[in-house]
Amino acid sequence: EAQVTQNPRYLITVTGKKLTVTCSQNMNHEYMSWYRQDPGLGLRQIYYSMNVEVTDKGDVPEGYKVSRKEKRNFPLILESPSPNQTSLYFCASSPQRGNQPQHFGDGTRLSIL
Amino acid sequence: AQTVTQSQPEMSVQEAETVTLSCTYDTSESNYYLFWYKQPPSRQMILVIRQEAYKQQNATENRFSVNFQKAAKSFSLKISDSQLGDTAMYFCARTQGGSEKLVFGKGTKLTVNP
Repeated sequence: EAQVTQNPRYLITVTGKKLTVTCSQNMNHEYMSWYRQDPGLGLRQIYYSMNVEVTDKGDVPEGYKVSRKEKRNFPLILESPSPNQTSLYFCASSPQRGNQPQHFGDGTRLSIL
Repeated sequence: AQTVTQSQPEMSVQEAETVTLSCTYDTSESNYYLFWYKQPPSRQMILVIRQEAYKQQNATENRFSVNFQKAAKSFSLKISDSQLGDTAMYFCARTQGGSEKLVFGKGTKLTVNP
């Protein structure tokens, strides 16, 4: 089954404790992206990757890091999480053609206390 | 910043009736793609329908159709014969910069009443 898998689905943690949200896709997609969703703001792009070892900032990259060492994986790293990073996070992937819709993971709810 | 605007934060409709969700956008590009995504309470992002800007014909998917007005930069979603399972948040999005990047609107919360 074609899918984008995020882990964990839920996480409650404390300020400053490094965390990683994993994202993996099994569709051999070149493009992967991370979004955060906040009430009243819709989804905003954090980082994206066009292919292995190629990453770039989206609209709200501050406080986040990513890596793309393998085509299937695109982890999101919060080195020193803060309460304003409490949000719902989505990973998405698509083939590198603009006419193809992005496939989304099921989301990760992060709460930073 | 190039934006996507959904002017209706919340809407409601009676089961079996028709409802239209509005979306306007700002772009200087000639070719781009437009999407409507549905997010039910389960939080999944589900593609409802997509439209290629260079195609004049409006896209349809079963009970879902769009009214795409390129000159007016408008991309509304019409849901016919509304069902209880259509209750969800709906997001309009478009590609940006000839890439796969999606710019989303803030969403419209749709409630279908029995």
